[in-house]
Amino acid sequence: AQSVTQPDIHITVSEGASLELRCNYSYGATPYLFWYVQSPGQGLQLLLKYFSGDTLVQGIKGFEAEFKRSQSSFNLRKPSVHWSDAAEYFCAVEGGNKLVFGAGTILRVKS
Amino acid sequence: DTEVTQTPKHLVMGMTNKKSLKCEQHMGHRAMYWYKQKAKKPPELMFVYSYEKLSINESVPSRFSPECPNSSLLNLHLHALQPEDSALYLCASSQEPGYSNQPQHFGDGTRLSIL
Repeated sequence: AQSVTQPDIHITVSEGASLELRCNYSYGATPYLFWYVQSPGQGLQLLLKYFSGDTLVQGIKGFEAEFKRSQSSFNLRKPSVHWSDAAEYFCAVEGGNKLVFGAGTILRVKS
Repeated sequence: DTEVTQTPKHLVMGMTNKKSLKCEQHMGHRAMYWYKQKAKKPPELMFVYSYEKLSINESVPSRFSPECPNSSLLNLHLHALQPEDSALYLCASSQEPGYSNQPQHFGDGTRLSIL
């Protein structure tokens, strides 16, 4: 069965600083990977997805993620964080029509 | 703006009440999903509908009863809920069932509180 690990429960970065959120997955076949963001009291918004091809994928709001099969990782990055990026971020892997989420990383942005 | 609409946004009900959550999408998606999300936890899959038929039930208690009247609408009927059922209930849809490369689009959820 597929699983996702997000090692960091909380991350605090200064506004304008770079960001990297870690995600490791376990899945026997070719993984379909996603990053979602959730603001308080709201649903999940898709940031980006990886299906195949180029291992560096671009998403919305200036986010990108890199798929590394050898490390079973799909880390999310942003070069310059804005205060509005403060939210919870979920990495997810899909298999068999099921989406399995990591535990999430709460991002705090300090001014 | 979300393309998956959930109503109501908030619901408070007693343990003996019967209520329903509603989810609607007009993107032509043929797979729809119900998730339960407790505070500070990731969403957990409850049900999956493919072409208006229930395809996955993740061993959800029978006090939760899903219904898919048509390809755009998904309901979750609630009866005799317990306080531990208080959570955010999220609906999602995706384009084509059975294809793993279809991202799911989520609504903003219904915040359910059981008294």
